[in-house]
Amino acid sequence: DTAVSQTPKYLVTQMGNDKSIKCEQNLGHDTMYWYKQDSKKFLKIMFSYNNKELIINETVPNRFSPKSPDKAHLNLHINSLELGDSAVYFCASSQDGGAYGYTFGSGTRLTVV
Amino acid sequence: QQQVKQSPQSLIVQKGGISIINCAYENTAFDYFPWYQQFPGKGPALLIAIRPDVSEKKEGRFTISFNKSAKQFSLHIMDSQPGDSATYFCAALGGSNYKLTFGKGTLLTVNP
Repeated sequence: DTAVSQTPKYLVTQMGNDKSIKCEQNLGHDTMYWYKQDSKKFLKIMFSYNNKELIINETVPNRFSPKSPDKAHLNLHINSLELGDSAVYFCASSQDGGAYGYTFGSGTRLTVV
Repeated sequence: QQQVKQSPQSLIVQKGGISIINCAYENTAFDYFPWYQQFPGKGPALLIAIRPDVSEKKEGRFTISFNKSAKQFSLHIMDSQPGDSATYFCAALGGSNYKLTFGKGTLLTVNP
């Protein structure tokens, strides 16, 4: 019954590899997000999709490419991974522009070695 | 440019005490101010939220105080418990692209 689920929970990979993180929400929300939480726990928005349409694309390297096959799913693909990409990535969803808050997944801890 | 400033960075409180975390914002276009609670290994979870048309909101032991003219809001946790030990984030919704912008977080430790 998990509202926002992400896979995998942990991801350890070498520099230069390509990896994907998957996210699914069963809340019927119309908007999904990717946030990055760095080692100092700062949460920063990366992307937002509303009904499969990209609406927010913050200053993120173009090695990061989100894809939303439908409004319940938002995946994040990362090419040519770098050490600085190591972080926890959170997926979130909301309805009505977030007027009632965002619901976050439990995160994917990405470690690039 | 940090649009939501949060303090303190860390806070240690004795069980039964009051925990107070403060936030200030710059953008008057923000129109929804939630607080999130995050335990280690978990995602942020919505704790309590307020809109700028009210000055206070209380839910159980948690209260938000909001000062629109000063552009400040704070979280008060009454009768703090060890189980409240977590990282707390204030946030503000609105601005360009109408997104949720977070403060840098406060690590709260409640000693038994």
